[in-house]
Amino acid sequence: KQEVTQIPAALSVPEGENLVLNCSFTDSAIYNLQWFRQDPGKGLTSLLLIQSSQREQTSGRLNASLDKSSGRSTLYIAASQPGDSATYLCAHYNQGGKLIFGQGTELSVKP
Amino acid sequence: NAGVTQTPKFQVLKTGQSMTLQCAQDMNHEYMSWYRQDPGMGLRLIHYSVGAGITDQGEVPNGYNVSRSTTEDFPLRLLSAAPSQTSVYFCAAYSGTLTGELFFGEGSRLTVL
Repeated sequence: KQEVTQIPAALSVPEGENLVLNCSFTDSAIYNLQWFRQDPGKGLTSLLLIQSSQREQTSGRLNASLDKSSGRSTLYIAASQPGDSATYLCAHYNQGGKLIFGQGTELSVKP
Repeated sequence: NAGVTQTPKFQVLKTGQSMTLQCAQDMNHEYMSWYRQDPGMGLRLIHYSVGAGITDQGEVPNGYNVSRSTTEDFPLRLLSAAPSQTSVYFCAAYSGTLTGELFFGEGSRLTVL
């Protein structure tokens, strides 16, 4: 069974701290990998998309990396802010067109 | 630019009732999917489609039917609702290319009494 695991499940940090969220996957034949943000009671917002041929993507304070050989992706958030508090999910596509999600990391940034 | 539109946003059903969650996209994406999200369970794939006329089962397909008669629409049908189907449902669309990005609807919160 193809799985996506996110560690940690929850994380609480003080404002201003740099942090890393981890995502590991068992399917080495993935296509794109995408990071999402979900606020409580809301839908999913796409943050970064890493194509299969790429190793990283950056958007503002966010940087996501992809290492297919080790089955890992990381989301780096620089200078965290209280507004970054949300659940972060990673997901990848396999060759059959399925999108497989991790369980998410719930991030809380304290002022 | 509507993207992915889901209706209704909220629905309350009685056990045994049927209903259809609608999903429409205006991006001409080939791939569409339905997920349910439950506390502690993450997002689980119900059904997906790789193009008009083609559908397949995901992780938790039991109790749900789908069809894909057009590229734009991908309705999810509950034939006989059960309390276990109380959840938040998300529809998503994806271009299916190597550069494709997944777009989600805002979700439909369903309660089955």
